[in-house]
Amino acid sequence: KAGVTQTPRYLIKTRGQQVTLSCSPISGHRSVSWYQQTPGQGLQFLFEYFSETQRNKGNFPGRFSGRQFSNSRSEMNVSTLELGDSALYLCASSSQPSGRGNTGELFFGEGSRLTVL
Amino acid sequence: SQKIEQNSEALNIQEGKTATLTCNYTNYSPAYLQWYRQDPGRGPVFLLLIRENEKEKRKERLKVTFDTTLKQSLFHITAAQPADSATYLCALDPGGTGRRALTFGSGTRLQVQP
Repeated sequence: KAGVTQTPRYLIKTRGQQVTLSCSPISGHRSVSWYQQTPGQGLQFLFEYFSETQRNKGNFPGRFSGRQFSNSRSEMNVSTLELGDSALYLCASSSQPSGRGNTGELFFGEGSRLTVL
Repeated sequence: SQKIEQNSEALNIQEGKTATLTCNYTNYSPAYLQWYRQDPGRGPVFLLLIRENEKEKRKERLKVTFDTTLKQSLFHITAAQPADSATYLCALDPGGTGRRALTFGSGTRLQVQP
């Protein structure tokens, strides 16, 4: 079974630009979560999608957005990039959405390393 | 405020010894807690899950304990090997009602010396 695939793996952008990152979950998984990882803040939750609906959103500005398609693939977009957006963006899939009683593990991709200059 | 604290300093131990990593949390009532391993430049990999009504869980050389009174989880690796060197993250379900996202600690880096 193929794992979670994230593209691109590395990218460099300049301030003010926008970026779109893609995530293909494990086949059969309908829940996709996005996390931002930085050395100072660790893993910070961005949002979760399940069956094309955003279920949960972290404490990030509106410049960060996402969506999920009918095949469960997900994209996240960051507009008007800032230097502080430089981070490893991790996508994780799960067979069930988060919530009480759903203790499913998250399967992470290798991440997209974004550098903003 | 809500916090998950893991020792930010790296833990250095000799091969064959037992590594013990700590995860403390404040102002959460987690229904469960998970541990992940992360290697440099890679995504985290799930290791173990322990529920609020469980005291201890084992998997091969790994053992996790969960003390909801102390608000602490301990993660043990017995007979540690250099291949166990990595960053270990604890993550918890924050509890409460409504939709909840798995919340991660910042991780502890383990270095096992041969």
